[in-house]
Amino acid sequence: DTAVSQTPKYLVTQMGNDKSIKCEQNLGHDTMYWYKQDSKKFLKIMFSYNNKELIINETVPNRFSPKSPDKAHLNLHINSLELGDSAVYFCASSQEIGTGYGYTFGSGTRLTVV
Amino acid sequence: ILNVEQSPQSLHVQEGDSTNFTCSFPSSNFYALHWYRWETAKSPEALFVMTLNGDEKKKGRISATLNTKEGYSYLYIKGSQPEDSATYLCASYGNKLVFGAGTILRVKS
Repeated sequence: DTAVSQTPKYLVTQMGNDKSIKCEQNLGHDTMYWYKQDSKKFLKIMFSYNNKELIINETVPNRFSPKSPDKAHLNLHINSLELGDSAVYFCASSQEIGTGYGYTFGSGTRLTVV
Repeated sequence: ILNVEQSPQSLHVQEGDSTNFTCSFPSSNFYALHWYRWETAKSPEALFVMTLNGDEKKKGRISATLNTKEGYSYLYIKGSQPEDSATYLCASYGNKLVFGAGTILRVKS
């Protein structure tokens, strides 16, 4: 069973469209995250949710809106997509908010905006 | 140090060589240091999480040390194998997990 699963794996869409990326974890973790891999391959935190509550909201355009219907799911909705949004987006989860445990990552969603 | 920095950026070694990488991180507001292994077309996998100054962790041929006072961690691979080829990421946690750019390791057989 996949621990952290993201769908879709690839997403190609036109500028101006609205799209969502879904993430589900079956590990029973309390905290979930969205990371963006930028053009220099850095993984940068976007959002963090703990038990459906938003904990971290980095300086991300408000076109990006995370939604956590329950603690096993953290979806990322992006409005009015721009060329610069093209990147690989990774979902992750961890057992507790904080640091004593490693994060489990999904396989990533490669978003291409044309 | 304001960011998490890793060196070298890339490393090519022969099978059987031992190697090590460095991770530097801000020593203020520090809680834990993570190491991840990231193979091409896969997702990062946690290797170690260390919190205490002087911590040492080991998993097979891979080990890591932590110096929180001076803000650095070393990752060691003994007797590198081709399957060790990957990007090795370190990340520092203060109030969020901040990643370095990684060290790309290529092991030639």
